[in-house]
Order: sequence, then C-alpha cells, then structure tokens
Amino acid sequence: SAVISQKPSRDICQRGTSLTIQCQVDSQVTMMFWYRQQPGQSLTLIATANQGSEATYESGFVIDKFPISRPNLTFSTLTVSNMSPEDSSIYLCSGDASGSFNEQFFGPGTRLTVL
Amino acid sequence: DAKTTQPPSMDCAEGRAANLPCNHSTISGNEYVYWYRQIHSQGPQYIIHGLKNNETNEMASLIITEDRKSSTLILPHATLRDTAVYYCIVRVSGTYKYIFGTGTRLKVLA
Repeated sequence: SAVISQKPSRDICQRGTSLTIQCQVDSQVTMMFWYRQQPGQSLTLIATANQGSEATYESGFVIDKFPISRPNLTFSTLTVSNMSPEDSSIYLCSGDASGSFNEQFFGPGTRLTVL
Repeated sequence: DAKTTQPPSMDCAEGRAANLPCNHSTISGNEYVYWYRQIHSQGPQYIIHGLKNNETNEMASLIITEDRKSSTLILPHATLRDTAVYYCIVRVSGTYKYIFGTGTRLKVLA
C-alpha cells in the first residue's frame, strides 16, 4: 500500500492569485493523478501527472490553468492559476502503486476556498 | 467511456447487509468495475474491484451480473462507521483512468 499526503490541507485565497498544492507518496508509484471535487459533487479527473514529461489533461482542463509537475516517482504538484471563486473545490491526488490496476490510493485532499 | 448510475442515497440498519446497486450498461468487455467509499473530509478508500466474476474480500462482496451491465456491492454487516458516499467506478480500458459516478450516500442507522 501507499500513503499519500498533501500540503496544504486547506487554504483561503484571493481572486487572481495562484496556489501550488503538493502531493507526496511514501513509496514509488507508477501513475499519479489529480482530481477536483466540487462541493457536494463526485470526483472529476483533471490530469495524469507523468514523471519527467508534460501532464496529460482531460477535456475541459488546460495546462495554463492547472500546471502540473512530477519530478520523480514520489512527488507531484498541481498549481491552480489565476484563481476565481469557481475554483473553490477539494483537490485530491492519487497514485497507483502496483502497476497492475489493483487500486489507487488517494490523498486526504486540499480544500481551497477562493474569495 | 462507460458511465455508471447509482441511487443518490440509501439507508441501512446497523448490523444488516447493505446492498448498493450500480448500473454500467455501456461497459466494454475488458473494463473493470471498482468500488470506493469516501468518508466525510477524507480521500476515497478502495473497497473492491472485479471484471466478471464475483469477488469477496474482508470488507465487502461484489456481485457482477452475467451480462456485466450492473453490479452490487454488499457490506454484509453494516456498522455506523460504514456511513459514507460509495462510488462505483469504471476503469477506462487499457489505462489507469477512473471515471467516477455520482455515488450513493449510505447512512447506517443505529
């Protein structure tokens, strides 16, 4: 299994600013993902964080708004850029440790409020 | 990509079996069904997954219909700590990508 931590756990930000969320895994994982969970909603995949290369974004999400880095097999960051109140959500990262499609491990999430 | 449909909410008496249904009528032959749950303010937690055979682990059982168009997650003896949102998910074939459904909010009643 893998344990995933995220920083910060929550933040309140002003419109127009940017926030970088960190995701740290306690062991190497093959794949890492970033999700958004809007209030009262299910999870929506933002992108797959690729180690050493550009992230793969899902429809409706773009790199300029959500730049992602993954410098190694245990760490990734998601930046929410030029924030607006519509970006208020919980942002979660996940990792797939085994490479055999068994399960993903999720971090506790970062609760972002944009004023 | 397959989509899943779940009832928005269910109640279950403590100690009884909780049966959570999921419809995935457009699932393709090599797409797996996963179940996760999310307890308030936490990240989703893996429960079980399957392809076409029924599966059981220490947490739950997964019953998949023969045509694979629907499945049921069974918590055999629900406790108050099982109160959570349960997500039925299809993993996109050949990828690690999950498509989350809307989830069922299960409330276990004392």
